[in-house]
Amino acid sequence: KAGVTQTPRYLIKTRGQQVTLSCSPISGHRSVSWYQQTPGQGLQFLFEYFSETQRNKGNFPGRFSGRQFSNSRSEMNVSTLELGDSALYLCASSLEGQTTGELFFGEGSRLTVL
Amino acid sequence: AQSVTQLDSQVPVFEEAPVELRCNYSSSVSVYLFWYVQYPNQGLQLLLKYLSGSTLVESINGFEAEFNKSQTSFHLRKPSVHISDTAEYFCAVRETSGSRLTFGEGTQLTVNP
Repeated sequence: KAGVTQTPRYLIKTRGQQVTLSCSPISGHRSVSWYQQTPGQGLQFLFEYFSETQRNKGNFPGRFSGRQFSNSRSEMNVSTLELGDSALYLCASSLEGQTTGELFFGEGSRLTVL
Repeated sequence: AQSVTQLDSQVPVFEEAPVELRCNYSSSVSVYLFWYVQYPNQGLQLLLKYLSGSTLVESINGFEAEFNKSQTSFHLRKPSVHISDTAEYFCAVRETSGSRLTFGEGTQLTVNP
């Protein structure tokens, strides 16, 4: 059974640009969450989608957005990139969005903003 | 809101020595507790979780953690570590009625020969 797949794994952008990251959850998983990992702030929750609806949102500016498609694949977008957006962006999926369900993480997309 | 404090940012130990990674949490509601491990250039892997029942939970690779409600702690222990245990370990909590994880700052465990 394939795990959570995130693309691209690495990317470099410049300030002011925008970026789109993709996440394919484990087959059958309908809940997808996104986390940002930085050395200074650690792991912070961005948002969660379940059945194409944003169910929960973290404390990030509106430049960070996401969506989920009918096949449960999810994308997140960051517009007007800032240097501080450099981070590892992790996607996680779980079965049916249950609170007791284990979150399965992808290997992440490492974004560098120059 | 919840918060998680991992009391040690770095823990160096020698191979075959015991180790304890400390985690305290704060929450006004009931929570589930987790330990995740992250190897270099990889995502997070669930090591073990406490949902209910026995306060001592074990993983398949020899780690165990004990939920202590009165001390609001969930320390991770292993009686004898291996070089391959070198990684960053994250303690996390989640409301029993919620879906987001709140992570601690992480503890870098380095096992030296």
